[in-house]
Amino acid sequence: GDSVTQMEGPVTLSEEAFLTINCTYTATGYPSLFWYVQYPGEGLQLLLKATKADDKGSNKGFEATYRKETTSFHLEKGSVQVSDSAVYFCARSSYNTDKLIFGTGTRLQVFP
Amino acid sequence: KAGVTQTPRYLIKTRGQQVTLSCSPISGHRSVSWYQQTPGQGLQFLFEYFSETQRNKGNFPGRFSGRQFSNSRSEMNVSTLELGDSALYLCASSLGLDTQYFGPGTRLTVL
Repeated sequence: GDSVTQMEGPVTLSEEAFLTINCTYTATGYPSLFWYVQYPGEGLQLLLKATKADDKGSNKGFEATYRKETTSFHLEKGSVQVSDSAVYFCARSSYNTDKLIFGTGTRLQVFP
Repeated sequence: KAGVTQTPRYLIKTRGQQVTLSCSPISGHRSVSWYQQTPGQGLQFLFEYFSETQRNKGNFPGRFSGRQFSNSRSEMNVSTLELGDSALYLCASSLGLDTQYFGPGTRLTVL
């Protein structure tokens, strides 16, 4: 069935370091792809999205490119801040429904 | 525009009781979906409603049910609560087959 695989965390970085969180998805159909972020005690916030191959989603310095050939949607940021510490979820859409399929989440910890 | 709201934010129940959670979508959104989040299972889809009709359902027992009203507000109900039902329950809304926006969640603790 459809699935999303994310790298295991936690990812621990120093402030201003480069971030990559890997995400791959099953290639059934032509899904939209999303990154959501969850801060402690909160719900999910949409970080960015891409709806077709080669699209690049970006927001708050984060970027991810929809790569159909490698079925990947890796999240990157050039210089992380302590305030970026959170759990990041990669997700794909499903055909003809609003159901999202999520990865397991990756916890990011940024230290000053 | 106000975001997705969920009430209550926190709930403590005992085994065997039932609970009703409420979700108010973003104004104009007609689709509401529910997810259960636990440390062990992650984010799991419960069900999806569009224009008062259940359009999709996840793999949960019949104790979990939901409905949507004509104003798009939605409720989910869990009967005969079990310890394993302790979780964060998240509601999301969209225009329909579109980007989903999540509420803050209801934290349910079953004792």
